[in-house]
Amino acid sequence: QQPVQSPQAVILREGEDAVINCSSSKALYSVHWYRQKHGEAPVFLMILLKGGEQKGHDKISASFNEKKQQSSLYLTASQLSYSGTYFCGTEGDTTSGTYKYIFGTGTRLKVLA
Amino acid sequence: GAGVSQSPSNKVTEKGKDVELRCDPISGHTALYWYRQSLGQGLEFLIYFQGNSAPDKSGLPSDRFSAERTGGSVSTLTIQRTQQEDSAVYLCASSLVTGGWDSPLHFGNGTRLTVT
Repeated sequence: QQPVQSPQAVILREGEDAVINCSSSKALYSVHWYRQKHGEAPVFLMILLKGGEQKGHDKISASFNEKKQQSSLYLTASQLSYSGTYFCGTEGDTTSGTYKYIFGTGTRLKVLA
Repeated sequence: GAGVSQSPSNKVTEKGKDVELRCDPISGHTALYWYRQSLGQGLEFLIYFQGNSAPDKSGLPSDRFSAERTGGSVSTLTIQRTQQEDSAVYLCASSLVTGGWDSPLHFGNGTRLTVT
């Protein structure tokens, strides 16, 4: 049930672009994206709701395709500060009527100078 | 408070002892979550509270793990008879659930538990 992220790890040079994918085996209502720096707590980046919308936040944007049960996070012109582990988060079993969140397998991203 | 507060930040305990981990969520946040993160691994769901009730305890690894929440605020995660495999960072998060999926989770800094 845990969403699967790809790639597992990626190394970039400053200024390069990257795409992180999140795939679920079940229908989704929303996808959250978080970044966790080493030794710190995860920090919220953005939420995408059902409707295929795309959102942007500085040079980080994301898309959500609920038909494909996928979301992608796009990092353009990467900066050193983008280094960390990225997690997608999705709702758990929606039939239970609860608001449980589960997280994807994670993608380690390292940006080199 | 300004953010989610967890205590202690570090806990070293001997195998077989009980431990209590505390989480103080953001004021007014109705939903509270516990996750476990082993070294270099992902976020493993443990339990979720809506108010004081726990609609989903499916992630608790064994009956040695329990959690409660009182007054719709502070939550305590208790691990009895700790084992070495319980060593991990335990993260708490809260969110303002408004009936939809549009509420982000706000995480505390975690409690690093080491069982010797």
